[in-house]
Amino acid sequence: KNQVEQSPQSLIILEGKNCTLQCNYTVSPFSNLRWYKQDTGRGPVSLTIMTFSENTKSNGRYTATLDADTKQSSLHITASQLSDSASYICVVRSGTYKYIFGTGTRLKVLA
Amino acid sequence: NAGVTQTPKFQVLKTGQSMTLQCAQDMNHNSMYWYRQDPGMGLRLIYYSASEGTTDKGEVPNGYNVSRLNKREFSLRLESAAPSQTSVYFCASRPPTGEVSPLHFGNGTRLTVT
Repeated sequence: KNQVEQSPQSLIILEGKNCTLQCNYTVSPFSNLRWYKQDTGRGPVSLTIMTFSENTKSNGRYTATLDADTKQSSLHITASQLSDSASYICVVRSGTYKYIFGTGTRLKVLA
Repeated sequence: NAGVTQTPKFQVLKTGQSMTLQCAQDMNHNSMYWYRQDPGMGLRLIYYSASEGTTDKGEVPNGYNVSRLNKREFSLRLESAAPSQTSVYFCASRPPTGEVSPLHFGNGTRLTVT
């Protein structure tokens, strides 16, 4: 069964600290993996995409990694800001129109 | 550009009532999707439309119907609402630019069925 599992479910950190969110997937076929940020009351917005051949990709303070052998991805947030408070969703694309969504990690950044 | 616009933002229905959720995108995207988001679960696909004039069932289509009215608009209809359909509904679209194009989401319709 295709699955995307994320950990932790929720996380609280102090402003300025770093954190790492995890995503493990068992999806076949694998097209790519994308991290989305979902603010409360809004739709998800794409942060970064990882294709099969990519190991690391940065987007500002966000750095995503992908290990295709172990089927794991991580999203590292550096120097967190209050505006980083949101849910972060890992999504694996499998085929042209099929996307498998994780349940998300809810991040709270405290001042 | 507004992106993906969903209406209404909130709706309360009684069991058995019907309603249509509207979605429109102004990005000239070919494919459009309807998802539902429930607590503790990932987004689940209800229906999608690969292009104007085509629609296909997703993972959880029972109790729903869709219409791809034109390239811009993709509506979701609940004919006889049930409490199990209480959820947040998201419409998304995607450009036809190959593997790396992301889904673009609207801000959702929060539906409560009592």
